[in-house]
Amino acid sequence: SAVISQKPSRDICQRGTSLTIQCQVDSQVTMMFWYRQQPGQSLTLIATANQGSEATYESGFVIDKFPISRPNLTFSTLTVSNMSPEDSSIYLCSVAAASGKNQPQHFGDGTRLSIL
Amino acid sequence: SQQGEEDPQALSIQEGENATMNCSYKTSINNLQWYRQNSGRGLVHLILIRSNEREKHSGRLRVTLDTSKKSSSLLITASRAADTASYFCATDQFQGAQKLVFGQGTRLTINP
Repeated sequence: SAVISQKPSRDICQRGTSLTIQCQVDSQVTMMFWYRQQPGQSLTLIATANQGSEATYESGFVIDKFPISRPNLTFSTLTVSNMSPEDSSIYLCSVAAASGKNQPQHFGDGTRLSIL
Repeated sequence: SQQGEEDPQALSIQEGENATMNCSYKTSINNLQWYRQNSGRGLVHLILIRSNEREKHSGRLRVTLDTSKKSSSLLITASRAADTASYFCATDQFQGAQKLVFGQGTRLTINP
């Protein structure tokens, strides 16, 4: 399976600031996704990162708060903007090697974000 | 939205015993995937079972799927201390463009 690297692995930020999280894959992948895991909770999909076009956001998530870039088939970034303590979570990117049904999805190690 | 429900929420057993976790979901799916997460780190993919499959094995793991009941189970046999982790099921919904919907997870503790 693809090797997925996320940076930073963790950070502590001040409220009102923004942080950009990077996701790098060692091979070209069709599908890339960003998830959020709030403390003690399960994962919720933020958006699908589309190569060369705007990301597709899930209900409850907006581009102004979580801008996403995907300039090529191996790289994506998620920015958490104007952060508040409620944004303290683990943010994870995931990839599926190919489009279509029944492709396993693999995750990076996540970015643990704490907002003071 | 979170459509998966897992039970139990927490499970504590002795090393060497078997552990069974259950997952229920609400809509039609393409497949169901099981993941392990150690101490809030990234997710490790365990098994993908397709909607037309009923059972799948991988080492000490056995997954079943009952689409008529919209439920799945994960069995870990001969548990080890290293199996201590949280386990999540995730459904790839029919026409969901590979977007995964996760269950709430089961926290498994293996006692030596």
